[in-house]
Order: sequence, then C-alpha cells, then structure tokens
Amino acid sequence: QKEVEQDPGPLSVPEGAIVSLNCTYSNSAFQYFMWYRQYSRKGPELLMYTYSSGNKEDGRFTAQVDKSSKYISLFIRDSQPSDSATYLCAMTPNSGGYQKVTFGIGTKLQVIP
Amino acid sequence: DVKVTQSSRYLVKRTGEKVFLECVQDMDHENMFWYRQDPGLGLRLIYFSYDVKMKEKGDIPEGYSVSREKKERFSLILESASTNQTSMYLCASSSQGRETQYFGPGTRLLVL
Repeated sequence: QKEVEQDPGPLSVPEGAIVSLNCTYSNSAFQYFMWYRQYSRKGPELLMYTYSSGNKEDGRFTAQVDKSSKYISLFIRDSQPSDSATYLCAMTPNSGGYQKVTFGIGTKLQVIP
Repeated sequence: DVKVTQSSRYLVKRTGEKVFLECVQDMDHENMFWYRQDPGLGLRLIYFSYDVKMKEKGDIPEGYSVSREKKERFSLILESASTNQTSMYLCASSSQGRETQYFGPGTRLLVL
C-alpha cells in the first residue's frame, strides 16, 4: 500500500463548477500538507500549504485537512479553464532537519469552457 | 520569487552516453533535490543534498550520481544513459527546516 493515495483521474468538469480533489494517507506522522499545481510539460508550483488539521483559504482555493480520517482535500470554486492542470498533494512529518516529502501521483483536472 | 532553473528543457541522448543535468537556484536554499516523474509512478526522489558537497541517496539512486560544489548549483549525472532513464527530470530546492519545495521547469530526457 502506498503511503499517499490519489486518484489520477482524469476529472472533467464544466466551467464554474466546484472541484474537489482528495488524497488519503497512511502515515499518522504527517503534519505538513501541501498542494502543487503542474501544467502540462512544466514543473510543479506550490499552491497551498497547511499545518496539521483545519482549513485554509486562498482566493478560490480551499485546503482542508482531516487528520483523524487521514484525508486531505483541495476545493476549487468557480473553476476556470486555466485551472486545467495536474494537482499533486504532498506531505511530510513534523521534526527537525531535512524531511522527505511524499507526493501523491497527481489528479489530472480538465475544466471545459 | 524563488527561481529554480534547469539547463535544458529537452535533451536527446544515445544509450551509453554520459549525461549532465544542471540545476541552479537563486534563493540561497540549503536543500536541493532531483526527482524523476513518470506516468503512473509520480515523483520519485533520486538524490538530495542538504549542504555543499553533501549528498544523500533517495528512493531510486541506481544509475545516477550527483555533484554539489556550490550552494546554488546541483548537478545530476547519468554515467551511462539507458533507455529506461527516459523521463522528466525535476530539480527542486527548499530552505533548511522548511517543508515547501520549489521546482524548476523540468528537463525531458529521451534516451535512444
């Protein structure tokens, strides 16, 4: 079983829809959670960063962490064609020094105009 | 803004060639990483470095080596390229003690 599970999709939604992207994980030591967006043939770019449980909002994006269920989500409101990309979740434990980041496989999202 | 640059966007090499991929970051980050990304497999860590001249093996170091002679520069070396090393190679950097990594644009390597 992988430490981080993420449905690869593809997920197709109409423009304006609310998108929900999710990851589950098995390592209870994970404390820091990130979402990256990767456009085709480009490197991933950091989108959202959260620590421990709770919600974080940034414009149309909301990141949610439920540590009791080992489940994280990224919500995109009013989705736009420019949101079409692959979204990777990433997570790492809480301790000093270098921490290995574990990435999900990525979910490919297509927003249809 | 953090900027991570990679020496080439696309490379075509022949089996057995020695290949150098170079990465430069301009944010004085201590940590630097090399990943490869393949369909269905996601990002896999090849090597990382937490200081100049320091290196640590990642999950898939076989067939690769690295060099970090300066803080801002981290090179990935394929000693003898093979067709199974055809992939997208991504470099990343992060500040010491920080979890967020910043990625370069990637190098698509094709080994024929």
